[in-house]
Amino acid sequence: QSVLTQPPSVSAAPGQKVTISCSGSGSNIGSNYLSWYQQLPGTAPKLLIYDNNKRPSGIPDRFTVSKSGTSGTLGITGLQTGDEADYYCGTWDSSLNIWVFGGGTKLSVL
Amino acid sequence: EVQLVQAGAEVKKPGESLKISCKGSGYNFNSYWIAWVRQMPGKGLEWMGIIYPGDSETRYSPPFQGQVTMSVDQSMNTAYLQWRSLRASDTAIYYCARGDESSISYEYDLWGQGTLVTVSS
Repeated sequence: QSVLTQPPSVSAAPGQKVTISCSGSGSNIGSNYLSWYQQLPGTAPKLLIYDNNKRPSGIPDRFTVSKSGTSGTLGITGLQTGDEADYYCGTWDSSLNIWVFGGGTKLSVL
Repeated sequence: EVQLVQAGAEVKKPGESLKISCKGSGYNFNSYWIAWVRQMPGKGLEWMGIIYPGDSETRYSPPFQGQVTMSVDQSMNTAYLQWRSLRASDTAIYYCARGDESSISYEYDLWGQGTLVTVSS
């Protein structure tokens, strides 16, 4: 059971928008920066969003985030088949003194 | 090029020992935290722990405390993850990931390609 809760799967059609939620608590999302990772099939995870809402260079602005209290949401607009991947949220937990990941969400672009 | 390069796949028997590596290049290896992340077959990411190459300060996630040992060789810009006695349940892909320069609690911006460890009799 992950400390951060994500939906197991989401799906949408090409060109549409999808959102992926990440729910935690005051000791993790509520008091530390949230980051998001994309793991394409058969590859290593890649940093998608950090410091709640910053994108590393090369990450398109189709990927957006919002954070409110103890939850965060990743939004992907203009869906492409190449966006099919597993998406993970992650942050530090100040009570456990460890990093925690969400369980991951599998995105299908139908 | 800034990168983390991990050792190739390993096949081991239960009870055997193993040490896998993660070599950093293109940046000041000693100044950035290195985390280890496990991904069991078909499952999600699990944070195992983190080490600071500059002074070998280490933090383990409770499920992995006492099960693995993290270490570094500063002269080789390499981090290691070690098992004394492998179990079949250790079968997984293990990733190393670069953390922040100053804080243990920030994101992982650079990942190794992963090392597949298979433990089977």
